[in-house]
Amino acid sequence: AQKVTQAQTEISVVEKEDVTLDCVYETRDTTYYLFWYKQPPSGELVFLIRRNSFDEQNEISGRYSWNFQKSTSSFNFTITASQVVDSAVYFCALSEAEDSNYQLIWGAGTKLIIKP
Amino acid sequence: NAGVTQTPKFQVLKTGQSMTLQCAQDMNHEYMSWYRQDPGMGLRLIHYSVGAGITDQGEVPNGYNVSRSTTEDFPLRLLSAAPSQTSVYFCASSTWSSTDTQYFGPGTRLTVL
Repeated sequence: AQKVTQAQTEISVVEKEDVTLDCVYETRDTTYYLFWYKQPPSGELVFLIRRNSFDEQNEISGRYSWNFQKSTSSFNFTITASQVVDSAVYFCALSEAEDSNYQLIWGAGTKLIIKP
Repeated sequence: NAGVTQTPKFQVLKTGQSMTLQCAQDMNHEYMSWYRQDPGMGLRLIHYSVGAGITDQGEVPNGYNVSRSTTEDFPLRLLSAAPSQTSVYFCASSTWSSTDTQYFGPGTRLTVL
């Protein structure tokens, strides 16, 4: 069965600090996809990244970076030089490709508070 | 190109009432899904569809019905509302399946008294 764990319920940092949000997943499939979404206080869900299980290269997009480690079943998200606008709830999610249950399983989310 | 739209944005129901949450997408996506989001929890899948005429249950389907008569529309029906169905409901769509990027509607905040 697939499972996503985001152990950090809430993180609070001061602006300009770097912060890493952890995501640990469980799956029996060898082909799967991992996602990160952002939910700002306004409530909408914003897609950040999609990564398949065969691509272990780290990804960088501006101040955002993602570290995918199959050996530890983790897909962590780092924000460098955080800004107040980064305050949001961040969700990690997993979808298996080999069985056909067509379901995206979500972690409980990490609430990130950036203080000015 | 409106993406994924949901109506209404807010709704208050009394216990036992029924209603339909509307969801539409204009991206010609085959996969559509409904989630509920409760405080402190991630999203939980209610029902999904991989194409017109095909629907299936997700993790928490009880008390909800869906149908998919067209590619564009995927309404969610609450048969007899209960306070436990108070939640924020999100509709999403993606090209083919849950392994593709899902794009979300703005959500419907439902309160059942």
